[in-house]
Amino acid sequence: DADVTQTPRNRITKTGKRIMLECSQTKGHDRMYWYRQDPGLGLRLIYYSFDVKDINKGEISDGYSVSRQAQAKFSLSLESAIPNQTALYFCATSDLEGIDEQFFGPGTRLTVL
Amino acid sequence: ELKVEQNPLFLSMQEGKNYTIYCNYSTTSDRLYWYRQDPGKSLESLFVLLSNGAVKQEGRLMASLDTKARLSTLHITAAVHDLSATYFCAVDSNSGYALNFGKGTSLLVTP
Repeated sequence: DADVTQTPRNRITKTGKRIMLECSQTKGHDRMYWYRQDPGLGLRLIYYSFDVKDINKGEISDGYSVSRQAQAKFSLSLESAIPNQTALYFCATSDLEGIDEQFFGPGTRLTVL
Repeated sequence: ELKVEQNPLFLSMQEGKNYTIYCNYSTTSDRLYWYRQDPGKSLESLFVLLSNGAVKQEGRLMASLDTKARLSTLHITAAVHDLSATYFCAVDSNSGYALNFGKGTSLLVTP
């Protein structure tokens, strides 16, 4: 089984709808991250969490919110989706100790019409 | 703000040739990561470079880090088609914050 899983893998929705993307990990890592990827722009950080009680905004948090339900679960919500939030979304995890290498989930392709 | 620049952004090369991808970053950092992404897929960790002068090799790829020059290189030796992918470098800003990614280098290896 994959260490970092994301659901759904693909989602098409309409402008104004509320959407939740979920991430689960079995790596036992403390740190979790949400990124979005747009063609030609690399990955940009939306939110990150260093533990259940520590959640921080990243570079592009406007229009997004997150919830860290447990060490293993980190959800990203779009309260009112808009078309420019169409992107590929990745969840990642890393260990608080050690080399802090990030491990990525398979991604969620979100299309907002 | 930490900026990470990769070049080239697009690279088409023939099988058997050598080439280098460059990753420059704007502020002090001791950690640099290289990732590979195949089309429609997730990011796969290739190398973690943790100190000045670090060099790591895996197959036809070799990565190095010069923290004084704020430069990392990813060298491709005798390219093969299977290396076609997008390669990202990412830099740890030393703030315990998160990684800053370059825009990626899209590599196409042709016969």
